[in-house]
Amino acid sequence: SQTIHQWPATLVQPVGSPLSLECTVEGTSNPNLYWYRQAAGRGLQLLFYSVGIGQISSEVPQNLSASRPQDRQFILSSKKLLLSDSGFYLCAWSTLERDVETQYFGPGTRLLVL
Amino acid sequence: GEDVEQSLFLSVREGDSSVINCTYTDSSSTYLYWYKQEPGAGLQLLTYIFSNMDMKQDQRLTVLLNKKDKHLSLRIADTQTGDSAIYFCAERSFNKFYFGSGTKLNVKP
Repeated sequence: SQTIHQWPATLVQPVGSPLSLECTVEGTSNPNLYWYRQAAGRGLQLLFYSVGIGQISSEVPQNLSASRPQDRQFILSSKKLLLSDSGFYLCAWSTLERDVETQYFGPGTRLLVL
Repeated sequence: GEDVEQSLFLSVREGDSSVINCTYTDSSSTYLYWYKQEPGAGLQLLTYIFSNMDMKQDQRLTVLLNKKDKHLSLRIADTQTGDSAIYFCAERSFNKFYFGSGTKLNVKP
């Protein structure tokens, strides 16, 4: 069965520090991968998605970047965090199941920038 | 991006039915989804419906789709306290999924 991992689960970082969040998927190959941010009490904002190694699409201009160095690894980074980067970051993958594109989410990383 | 809208809150008593509503804008969406998010956790896929269907039932969950009005609803029968969570509807357009802002369901004992 497929599993998606995210780490760390929680992170407290000072403003201006770098960031690296990692997401890995097991049990599938060539998934579409996604990074979302969920601000407190808000919906999901799509940040990046990737359809293959090295292929990243950015949805919103920001000081975050994403990379996909391996098929099942998706990394979210920042060189200098802002206060507004605080939020709940969710990684997701999608696959075609019985002709339905279905998306599955990781447990999330809660980031607090102080 | 596409607009998916939901009301923010719904409060029901245990044992009653809950109906969570959603409207979307992309008439070319082939599938629409409902997800559940419990506190501090990721989203869990509950069910989905193909756009050529009007209704789909899965145990206590019933999804209704009015494609003409671009209106989707999720009915939870015999709502339990364990159903308290945030419920998101989503549509898929091209390679992207668009989510509503979520409806927080509060179930009172």
